[in-house]
Amino acid sequence: AQSVTQLDSQVPVFEEAPVELRCNYSSSVSVYLFWYVQYPNQGLQLLLKYLSGSTLVKSINGFEAEFNKSQTSFHLRKPSVHISDTAEYFCAVSAPGGGADGLTFGKGTHLIIQP
Amino acid sequence: DAGITQSPRHKVTETGTPVTLRCHQTENHRYMYWYRQDPGHGLRLIHYSYGVKDTDKGEVSDGYSVSRSKTEDFLLTLESATSSQTSVYFCAITGATEYEQYFGPGTRLTVT
Repeated sequence: AQSVTQLDSQVPVFEEAPVELRCNYSSSVSVYLFWYVQYPNQGLQLLLKYLSGSTLVKSINGFEAEFNKSQTSFHLRKPSVHISDTAEYFCAVSAPGGGADGLTFGKGTHLIIQP
Repeated sequence: DAGITQSPRHKVTETGTPVTLRCHQTENHRYMYWYRQDPGHGLRLIHYSYGVKDTDKGEVSDGYSVSRSKTEDFLLTLESATSSQTSVYFCAITGATEYEQYFGPGTRLTVT
């Protein structure tokens, strides 16, 4: 079984400042890792995924995350945030069984951008 | 956007009444999921389906049942709604790799 810990329930940051949202996971097997974003009153959108290959993955809107196997982490970063990045961010893991195993989610981090 | 719709989008119902939520996909994908989202809990899996008539329980399945008679439709039923089932319910399907999931817009259910 897997578990996901998002260490911060809320992260306030000023506009144009850098941000890091932390995600740690626990698993006895290799996992695949994901970040989802949820804007107010909307569903979840896939932001980033790590399945294999380069441990640094990037999104089209400037976010990036790095898979660190030794630290069992997949932290999300952005060098300069915008007011439109205000949202809830969820880290999730999937075991190699894929669909049958489903995703295990963290409890989410609310990113609050202050002007 | 993944072709996933949910209906209804909002519903208010009374304790003890049955409620059915519908998820419809146009992607012809095998796996479909129902989650509930509650403050402080993130998303928790209720049930999932790996094909027509093939379903299995998730982490929080008590009080819920599901059915999948067609590839495109996955129904979630609360046989007798309780106030603890007030939540936002999300349907999801897997993508081409069957690892990542894509979510519908959600159904906000209030049980009074």
